[in-house]
Amino acid sequence: DTGVSQNPRHKITKRGQNVTFRCDPISEHNRLYWYRQTLGQGPEFLTYFQNEAQLEKSRLLSDRFSAERPKGSFSTLEIQRTEQGDSAMYLCASSDDRQPQHFGDGTRLSIL
Amino acid sequence: TQLLEQSPQFLSIQEGENLTVYCNSSSVFSSLQWYRQEPGEGPVLLVTVVTGGEVKKLKRLTFQFGDARKDSSLHITAAQPGDTGLYLCAGATANFGNEKLTFGTGTRLTIIP
Repeated sequence: DTGVSQNPRHKITKRGQNVTFRCDPISEHNRLYWYRQTLGQGPEFLTYFQNEAQLEKSRLLSDRFSAERPKGSFSTLEIQRTEQGDSAMYLCASSDDRQPQHFGDGTRLSIL
Repeated sequence: TQLLEQSPQFLSIQEGENLTVYCNSSSVFSSLQWYRQEPGEGPVLLVTVVTGGEVKKLKRLTFQFGDARKDSSLHITAAQPGDTGLYLCAGATANFGNEKLTFGTGTRLTIIP
């Protein structure tokens, strides 16, 4: 069990560019979650998958955001046309049907 | 909208002292998780409480879930510098916390050696 892995750990990009983050969950965890955390705040839920099905999306997930989990294993979160307000830590977590969520160390996004 | 408020927001105490952190909501949760987060890292799960009135102990940490399952507290005995970090409570509508989590505002704890 190697834990939840997120890549990259840091991403710096110019406003207007697209970015993509990857999350590899704990093996055999069928549920995968994305959260966003801004400085000084608790994480805010974005979306979650059970296997490859996206079961819930927050209103925070605007049309510039898209998440996929095509084979029910790793997931990607893409942000198109990034804005200053997208600067945050993006956290991924995974669980199975009878376990609480375990988090990765996040991808810190900075928009110049 | 479910909201979780934590108090205090910041707490700085001397090594060896005791402290209590509170997590309050107007909503009922099926389960509540406590996490600790250090700078640049993801939250690490400390405990899950499910039953109203439940008390769980983890070494010097004692967690309690309110009878109405709307609030929780974390008590640390004889705090040590290693306890320093951001403590987050998170409520879930699922017993195992395996659906959407609603996080509290966090308590930033600093233990002074």
